[in-house]
Amino acid sequence: QVQLVQSGAEVKKPGASVRVSCKASGYSFTGYYIHWVRQAPGEGLEWMGWINPYSDGTNYAQKYQGRVTMTSDTSINTVYMEMSGLTSDDTATYFCAREGAGSYSPFDYWGQGTLVAVSS
Amino acid sequence: EIVLTQSPGTLSLSPGERATLFCRASQVVSDNYLAWYQQKPGQAPRLLIYGASSRASGIPGRFSGSGSGADFIVTISRLEPEDFAVYYCQQYGSSPPTFGQGTKVEIK
Repeated sequence: QVQLVQSGAEVKKPGASVRVSCKASGYSFTGYYIHWVRQAPGEGLEWMGWINPYSDGTNYAQKYQGRVTMTSDTSINTVYMEMSGLTSDDTATYFCAREGAGSYSPFDYWGQGTLVAVSS
Repeated sequence: EIVLTQSPGTLSLSPGERATLFCRASQVVSDNYLAWYQQKPGQAPRLLIYGASSRASGIPGRFSGSGSGADFIVTISRLEPEDFAVYYCQQYGSSPPTFGQGTKVEIK
């Protein structure tokens, strides 16, 4: 069965960087885009960007360009989202999600989420 | 980018009642590429509806989606206890994909 398993919670100080991993299993890893979505406490869902594990192509939301880097490692079926220059506003749960097959598909499988807390 | 506005913000209903949730887009959603997700506290969102009206795998028949263009609806015909949650719409036909702010369905 398809699974996306994310790394554990992180506590970071302002100005630091964080890297969250998302390990995929149960499907052809390079056949599907992976998106990252974040959710601040008590708030809604915010799209951050995607990575194509086949080509390593990426597309980031304008808000995160220059501060977020998404990478993939096909040898271990894992994608990473790294964010630099953390502030308290980045305190949120970060989800990876698989975009379904074909052009223009919704997010059919999600990771369990990784809480990143930024505090001095 | 396409802005999605969901209404109402909160819906207070009893089990067995019908729930109707709305999602309005700031412009036409390309090819009705509109999805609905359910999210329970502490969990990831779960895909319910895609293409405005198609149920995702394993989603019960009491969930139905409708609409086209810029106005979309999801209906839960008879609320079960496990349906009380927050529901988000998402358009995925234009970049960036965007989400509505959510509708909370709570027990009355």
